[in-house]
Amino acid sequence: DQQVKQNSPSLSVQEGRISILNCDYTNSMFDYFLWYKKYPAEGPTFLISISSIKDKNEDGRFTVFLNKSAKHLSLHIVPSQPGDSAVYFCAASAKGRQNFVFGPGTRLSVLP
Amino acid sequence: DAMVIQNPRYQVTQFGKPVTLSCSQTLNHNVMYWYQQKSSQAPKLLFHYYDKDFNNEADTPDNFQSRRPNTSFCFLDIRSPGLGDAAMYLCATSRDLGGTGDYNEQFFGPGTRLTVL
Repeated sequence: DQQVKQNSPSLSVQEGRISILNCDYTNSMFDYFLWYKKYPAEGPTFLISISSIKDKNEDGRFTVFLNKSAKHLSLHIVPSQPGDSAVYFCAASAKGRQNFVFGPGTRLSVLP
Repeated sequence: DAMVIQNPRYQVTQFGKPVTLSCSQTLNHNVMYWYQQKSSQAPKLLFHYYDKDFNNEADTPDNFQSRRPNTSFCFLDIRSPGLGDAAMYLCATSRDLGGTGDYNEQFFGPGTRLTVL
């Protein structure tokens, strides 16, 4: 039973447009969420995070939105660049636990 | 540069032949993790070390063991690899802020891709 879901296996976006990647979770104990980006032949790298006390966190072109009532978060990339093409993983953790539960990932392709 | 290193990057073993994957870190992080990732699936946590304390996930098979001889190194031992154990194995580290409940992101190594023949 997946606790963290990313229902879109892939997404294609034109360069310069907005990319929106979605993530849903089922465990109401989760209170910290992260997004990782993964290029081929590399390990995932941390991108941005959000605590459940916030509903938005912004870092440059990347913004994460959290809707706790819907158990949903999204990552917005504006403007999208070809270098953003990668697999994006959503991950979640509950307070006091050191481990994170990952979603299956969404492959983003930004087309020139 | 501080980093997480995994050796080897590619490992081929035979069905039933024990294999060890290694991970080292220069970040001096006190928490180290091993994940298994199969194609198009989420990385699945196998276990993690909080300092020397070993924390096994409930559904991690007994076939998988781990050792952490010191802060910098952590090993994943697969005692009798089966065909279903072929996967990417990711090592990660994080720094706990001393029980404050604050979190730090995990830093991942590049992974070791295991093939079982």
